[in-house]
Amino acid sequence: AQSVTQPDIHITVSEGASLELRCNYSYGATPYLFWYVQSPGQGLQLLLKYFSGDTLVQGIKGFEAEFKRSQSSFNLRKPSVHWSDAAEYFCAVGLIQGAQKLVFGQGTRLTINP
Amino acid sequence: NAGVTQTPKFRVLKTGQSMTLLCAQDMNHEYMYWYRQDPGMGLRLIHYSVGEGTTAKGEVPDGYNVSRLKKQNFLLGLESAAPSQTSVYFCASSQPLYGSGGYTFGSGTRLTVV
Repeated sequence: AQSVTQPDIHITVSEGASLELRCNYSYGATPYLFWYVQSPGQGLQLLLKYFSGDTLVQGIKGFEAEFKRSQSSFNLRKPSVHWSDAAEYFCAVGLIQGAQKLVFGQGTRLTINP
Repeated sequence: NAGVTQTPKFRVLKTGQSMTLLCAQDMNHEYMYWYRQDPGMGLRLIHYSVGEGTTAKGEVPDGYNVSRLKKQNFLLGLESAAPSQTSVYFCASSQPLYGSGGYTFGSGTRLTVV
């Protein structure tokens, strides 16, 4: 069955430090991949997506992610975090065979230290 | 641009009561989804629809029913609420193959069953 794993439930970084959030997936074909961000009490907002082509994708708010087929990973990065980046981040796999639906990871909660 | 609108935003139910959550989208999207979000479990798919008049079960459909009589609306019903259905419910919509932007999410409905 398809699955998405975000190994880190909670990460704390200092403002200005670099960030990497991990995401691994299990899927029988090359998937569509997404990162979403959820601020407290809000819905989910798309940060970036990978459908095909260049494996390094740029998103909003200075985020980027790299698709590594050999590692079944799609890690999210940001060179320098801001206090406003504190939120919960979700990685998702978009199934394209059969029913088209997103399968989400458990989420990683990001805390920023001033 | 309203996007995806969920009604109501908050609700408290007593065990055994019924209710309907309404999701409305104004983007002419074909696909609509209902997810529930619980701490540490990410988002889990309840039911989804690939077009007007169609519905299908997701990962956690028990205790819920849905209807999509009009393309722009997707209703989620709880016939006899249970405390285990206390959760935050998100509706989302998309075009086939996720369009250009993946899902568009509503802001959520926080449901408490006592």
